[in-house]
Amino acid sequence: AQKVTQAQTEISVVEKEDVTLDCVYETRDTTYYLFWYKQPPSGELVFLIRRNSFDEQNEISGRYSWNFQKSTSSFNFTITASQVVDSAVYFCALSDGGGYQKVTFGTGTKLQVIP
Amino acid sequence: EAQVTQNPRYLITVTGKKLTVTCSQNMNHEYMSWYRQDPGLGLRQIYYSMNVEVTDKGDVPEGYKVSRKEKRNFPLILESPSPNQTSLYFCASSLLGSSGNTIYFGEGSWLTVV
Repeated sequence: AQKVTQAQTEISVVEKEDVTLDCVYETRDTTYYLFWYKQPPSGELVFLIRRNSFDEQNEISGRYSWNFQKSTSSFNFTITASQVVDSAVYFCALSDGGGYQKVTFGTGTKLQVIP
Repeated sequence: EAQVTQNPRYLITVTGKKLTVTCSQNMNHEYMSWYRQDPGLGLRQIYYSMNVEVTDKGDVPEGYKVSRKEKRNFPLILESPSPNQTSLYFCASSLLGSSGNTIYFGEGSWLTVV
């Protein structure tokens, strides 16, 4: 069975601080995919990144970066120099690689960036 | 523009009154799915479909029905809604295959059952 754990329920930071959102996953599949989604207060889900299990390279996109470590089954997300617009709920998700998409979401981390 | 469209976006209904939340995608995706989001529980999969006439239960299917008569549409049916089905619902679609295709989500449907 798949499982995604986001142990941080809520985080508050002051604007311009860096913040890391943790994601730990469990799966028996050797091929799988990991995702991060952002859910702003308006409610829609915004796709941020997808990473497959064979690609452990870290990725940077502007102020966002992701650290994928298979050895610890973690896929952490860091926001550098946080801004108020980063305030949202962030979900980590895991999809199997068996040709269909059984997607398991974590419970989300609510990030509040204080001006 | 690639879209997953859900309707209605907001609905307040009464216990026992059948309702349908429609979902339509314009990307010719084989895979479609419904999720519900509840505080502290994240998103949980209700049903999914891998193609026309092929549907299967997700993690929380009780109280819901789905159908997939056309590739683009995947309606979620609540035959007899109850207050515990008050939730935010998301429809999603993607291509099938092992390449981890992007999952597209609709904007969500806020459902309140009183």
